[in-house]
Amino acid sequence: DQQVKQNSPSLSVQEGRISILNCDYTNSMFDYFLWYKKYPAEGPTFLISISSIKDKNEDGRFTVFLNKSAKHLSLHIVPSQPGDSAVYFCAASAKSLHFGNEKLTFGTGTRLTIIP
Amino acid sequence: DADVTQTPRNRITKTGKRIMLECSQTKGHDRMYWYRQDPGLGLRLIYYSFDVKDINKGEISDGYSVSRQAQAKFSLSLESAIPNQTALYFCATSDPGRGETQYFGPGTRLLVL
Repeated sequence: DQQVKQNSPSLSVQEGRISILNCDYTNSMFDYFLWYKKYPAEGPTFLISISSIKDKNEDGRFTVFLNKSAKHLSLHIVPSQPGDSAVYFCAASAKSLHFGNEKLTFGTGTRLTIIP
Repeated sequence: DADVTQTPRNRITKTGKRIMLECSQTKGHDRMYWYRQDPGLGLRLIYYSFDVKDINKGEISDGYSVSRQAQAKFSLSLESAIPNQTALYFCATSDPGRGETQYFGPGTRLLVL
């Protein structure tokens, strides 16, 4: 049962254009969402996050949008650069009484290719 | 130097063999995790540990065991390796104050023949 879904395995975008990566979730208890970026032969690295009390969070070229009613979040990268070519994982967590928000559930990833 | 290191980086083993994957971190974090990544399945949690005396099963712990030897070291063992344990394995750490943000090692690519 995939609680976090990334339905697009791959995406190609022209350099300078906007890249939009999408993520859907089914667990209404999730209250914190993150995006991780992964290059080949490296571990995932944290990119940006958003709490369920917000609907938007921005960090430079990266913006994450959260639509709680639709259980959907998206990552916008603008403008896209060749160095953005990587696999992007969406992740979510639910606060528990004992553990806080430390357990993450990951999506399957979207491979983004930026075309020069 | 990398904050989270994993050894070995690549390993080929045979069905039935016992192997250990090791993870060390210099970030001073109490919390450590083991994940596996399979094509089309993303990252799935195997085990996690919130301090030296705390070990918890993740969503796919069958066939695996772990040992938290110290705050900085967290090992994953495959007691009797099988081919469907062929995968990319990642160790991660997190700070209790920012537990949602996890820091990953470079991964161990394991092939079980």
